[in-house]
Amino acid sequence: GAVVSQHPSRVICKSGTSVKIECRSLDFQATTMFWYRQFPKQSLMLMATSNEGSKATYEQGVEKDKFLINHASLTLSTLTVTSAHPEDSSFYICSAREGQRDEQYFGPGTRLTVT
Amino acid sequence: AQSVTQLGSHVSVSEGALVLLRCNYSSSVPPYLFWYVQYPNQGLQLLLKYTSAATLVKGINGFEAEFKKSETSFHLTKPSAHMSDAAEYFCASLTYSGAGSYQLTFGKGTKLSVIP
Repeated sequence: GAVVSQHPSRVICKSGTSVKIECRSLDFQATTMFWYRQFPKQSLMLMATSNEGSKATYEQGVEKDKFLINHASLTLSTLTVTSAHPEDSSFYICSAREGQRDEQYFGPGTRLTVT
Repeated sequence: AQSVTQLGSHVSVSEGALVLLRCNYSSSVPPYLFWYVQYPNQGLQLLLKYTSAATLVKGINGFEAEFKKSETSFHLTKPSAHMSDAAEYFCASLTYSGAGSYQLTFGKGTKLSVIP
């Protein structure tokens, strides 16, 4: 149980275009979802936290207008990287939590490359 | 502010040798602590977690960790390394910030290499 999927697993896009990444909880209701960014050989950095039906809470330094997060249902959250630039190239990982449980379940990640 | 420190960005051990990955946390209140493993181009998999119950926590794949409040440590160990253990390991701390919200803070990670 507690499976989180991400789609796509890899995406290459041109500079200036937008990319949407989906995060789904397959067998539980994800009341809270988290989006992380991981640069090569570095740790995960929390970008934002989203609760179903409300606006996401962004961490300091993360541009809200560039990284649009939608958590419209209890099983789906999306991250849209708008007007992508090469410096946005990274590994994006989502995680989900059910209710007030202490454990987060992580997706397999999405490798974004902006050319 | 919460912080998690992993000593050693890269650890190499021989196959069959003891694995010891170090993690120290800073918190005025004992947090919940986690160890995750990440294989290349994959997400994180939970190895084990400490949630203020038993101080010695056993996880998957033969790993265990001991919570030591006096040392603010939560080191990960495995008696005998296997080639399949080669991966990146992250220690993380979970603390509640009130009003039902909390944050998971990760250490910088330790890459474990296993030498045949």
